[in-house]
Amino acid sequence: KAGVTQTPRYLIKTRGQQVTLSCSPISGHRSVSWYQQTPGQGLQFLFEYFSETQRNKGNFPGRFSGRQFSNSRSEMNVSTLELGDSALYLCASSFTAGDGYEQYFGPGTRLTVT
Amino acid sequence: GENVEQHPSTLSVQEGDSAVIKCTYSDSASNYFPWYKQELGKRPQLIIDIRSNVGEKKDQRIAVTLNKTAKHFSLHITETQPEDSAVYFCAASSRNTGKLIFGQGTTLQVKP
Repeated sequence: KAGVTQTPRYLIKTRGQQVTLSCSPISGHRSVSWYQQTPGQGLQFLFEYFSETQRNKGNFPGRFSGRQFSNSRSEMNVSTLELGDSALYLCASSFTAGDGYEQYFGPGTRLTVT
Repeated sequence: GENVEQHPSTLSVQEGDSAVIKCTYSDSASNYFPWYKQELGKRPQLIIDIRSNVGEKKDQRIAVTLNKTAKHFSLHITETQPEDSAVYFCAASSRNTGKLIFGQGTTLQVKP
């Protein structure tokens, strides 16, 4: 099976712009979670989607949003970019939602905000 | 709130020695504890996990132990090799959520 894929791999944006990142889960996986990774804050949970519904949300401002499509592919959007949004954005897929299900990560999208 | 503390932040061992990384979680509802290995410039890779109904799990040179009473779990790597050098993250998820709360990571260096 193909692994989790993310596009684009790298992005450079300027403050105030918005960005959309995409994640395609492992075939058959229906749950997609998003994480932000920075040197200072580590890996932080953004949100989780299952069957096109957001099941959980982390402690991020409303500028961060996401959605999931019927084929389980997911997108996340960040509006009004700030310098502090520069990070590696990782998505992870699992067979289903809920505890105890292994999550497998994609390669990430490296976002740089200037 | 939910929190996972991980220690040490850095660990340097000689090839062939053992390495132990410890994590403590705050949410008593947590019942799934995965460990991830992240090499430089790569994605986190799931290396082992444990569920709350199990006290220990082994996979070749890697083992994880869980003490639910004390709310801590540990990763043990025996006979370390240079290719074990990476950042290791512990995580915990609470009942009925797929939300992983990660520790701050441990940079393991295995010296040949």
